[in-house]
Amino acid sequence: GAVVSQHPSWVICKSGTSVKIECRSLDFQATTMFWYRQFPKQSLMLMATSNEGSKATYEQGVEKDKFLINHASLTLSTLTVTSAHPEDSSFYICSARDWRTGANYGYTFGSGTRLTVV
Amino acid sequence: DQQVKQNSPSLSVQEGRISILNCDYTNSMFDYFLWYKKYPAEGPTFLISISSIKDKNEDGRFTVFLNKSAKHLSLHIVPSQPGDSAVYFCAAGPYDKVIFGPGTSLSVIP
Repeated sequence: GAVVSQHPSWVICKSGTSVKIECRSLDFQATTMFWYRQFPKQSLMLMATSNEGSKATYEQGVEKDKFLINHASLTLSTLTVTSAHPEDSSFYICSARDWRTGANYGYTFGSGTRLTVV
Repeated sequence: DQQVKQNSPSLSVQEGRISILNCDYTNSMFDYFLWYKKYPAEGPTFLISISSIKDKNEDGRFTVFLNKSAKHLSLHIVPSQPGDSAVYFCAAGPYDKVIFGPGTSLSVIP
């Protein structure tokens, strides 16, 4: 089945620095990838939809300049948290869409990245 | 305003019994529905799905029921096992973008 790899699984950074998270589809081409954020004991909040070769579509309330998304190839999307602050500490998860579909309609998730900003 | 609701934040069930997790949605145009299981610090794992043309889908111990008129779906797990203890998210939406509910934490007691 479809496999999505997310890296790193956890990262600690200092306030003011930037952090890049990678999301790769390993055995399929993903024209669409999604980035989610999960606060403790809360749901998965969709941050943005990333389409290969075009600008990401951000959900309302998500700062485009703070959360930079690049989907330069059909197998890689990156999320860069710029000038990180402690309130950006969260669990970030990507999902890649495999348009060959299947029972999950193509939504396959990465394993997530725990970001801690100190 | 939440478009996908899971009104029970937690549920405890005895091992071997049935677990029933509920989900409600507000948009009658939603036609794809999925259930995911999630452990802490891991990504969600797909469990089962259903489209609006069906009212039931079964896969092993997992069955999803869809009531379109009530805009309600449920996940039944029979029999429940301790390894089923996790947070369960339902997701609903059009084909190109689903919305997740807040999740229900299931504890299966041995």
